[in-house]
Amino acid sequence: GDSVTQTEGLVTVTEGLPVKLNCTYQTTYLTIAFFWYVQYLNEAPQVLLKSSTDNKRTEHQGFHATLHKSSSSFHLQKSSAQLSDSALYYCALSDGSNNRIFFGDGTQLVVKP
Amino acid sequence: EAAVTQSPRNKVTVTGGNVTLSCRQTNSHNYMYWYRQDTGHGLRLIHYSYGAGNLQIGDVPDGYKATRTTQEDFFLLLELASPSQTSLYFCASSDSYEQYFGPGTRLTVL
Repeated sequence: GDSVTQTEGLVTVTEGLPVKLNCTYQTTYLTIAFFWYVQYLNEAPQVLLKSSTDNKRTEHQGFHATLHKSSSSFHLQKSSAQLSDSALYYCALSDGSNNRIFFGDGTQLVVKP
Repeated sequence: EAAVTQSPRNKVTVTGGNVTLSCRQTNSHNYMYWYRQDTGHGLRLIHYSYGAGNLQIGDVPDGYKATRTTQEDFFLLLELASPSQTSLYFCASSDSYEQYFGPGTRLTVL
């Protein structure tokens, strides 16, 4: 079956420094889409980034991610973290077979002054 | 933009009580979902549906029933609530790969 792994439960970074959140996956399907969802405190999860193209960089709100099917990864990066980036981040994939999305366990990002 | 609403936003009940959580989407999406969110477990799928009268079992269905009465409305039922069902519940809708979430219902079972 499909699964998504986020190795870090908590990432703490100082404002202005780069940040990387790791995401790897397993899937048996060929038609797949990948997401990073962000959830701010007391809000619902919302899509931050999405991609289905191998080796293509996707950017939004200063974050970027590149799908690498060769390594089954879709890491999220930002060159300069901001205090407002503090949130819970979910990596997810959809295989499209039944409109399910498989979520990782989430990474809490804390940006400190 | 997708619009998904949930009610109530907060609910407190006692062990053994009956609870119904409601979700409505106004974007004519075929798929609707119920998740629970707990610290350390992320978002876990309880039930989902691809249309009125349809119900699919998710990954953590025990203790929950669901019913999709119309394309817009999806309900989650806890007939004998237990403290282990204390959680934040999200509803979502989709008509493609991307899911749109409602604001959530915080349920406390005492």
